[in-house]
Amino acid sequence: EVQLVQSGAEVKKPGESLKISCKGSGYRFSSYWIAWVRQMPGKGLEWMGIIYPGDSDTKYSPSFQGQVTISVDKSINSAYLQWSSLRASDSAMYYCARHGVGATNWFDPWGQGTLVTVSS
Amino acid sequence: QSVLTQPPSASGTPGQRVTISCSGSSSNIGRNTVNWYQQFPGTAPKLLIYSNNQRPSGVPDRFSASKSGTSASLAISGLQSGDEADYYCEAWDDSLSGPAFGGGTKLTVL
Repeated sequence: EVQLVQSGAEVKKPGESLKISCKGSGYRFSSYWIAWVRQMPGKGLEWMGIIYPGDSDTKYSPSFQGQVTISVDKSINSAYLQWSSLRASDSAMYYCARHGVGATNWFDPWGQGTLVTVSS
Repeated sequence: QSVLTQPPSASGTPGQRVTISCSGSSSNIGRNTVNWYQQFPGTAPKLLIYSNNQRPSGVPDRFSASKSGTSASLAISGLQSGDEADYYCEAWDDSLSGPAFGGGTKLTVL
């Protein structure tokens, strides 16, 4: 079974750093893009960025460029989303999702989500 | 606001057919295929339709979709209470060099 499993919920203070993870299994991890998607409370889906584990090629949405860092460790089939200094406005649910290459350009499957709460 | 435009809400009674629209531009829907996702409260989105009109295994044929020019639509026939969810369209945007999502449509079954 193809699946993505994300790390657990986090509660952090403003200014702290954070790195959340997404582990793939059931498929060749290096051959599919992994995207990160933000969903703020009661709001829609926002694409943050995408990484190709095969060569670590990374693209960021202009809205998130410079705000987060996306990385990957293909040796353990894991992708990461990282903040160096969190703000209250980063409080949201974050999903990772597998994205195909070429003609298979859709998101499937999705991780279960990681809830990030930033509060003093 | 979102790159792709969807109505914020849609509704219908059990058994009815409802449609949800998704409007884009030449840089996204006009050039690339459209996908649809279904999200129930408190759960992750799930792929519902891919490549404009293809259903993944396990998705009932009550769900169908189409694309024309820079717009797409999702149709749900034989509406059921279990179809109450948020629905999102998505297409690759060549200007963004990344995927673009619609703002989502909350479907209510009356």
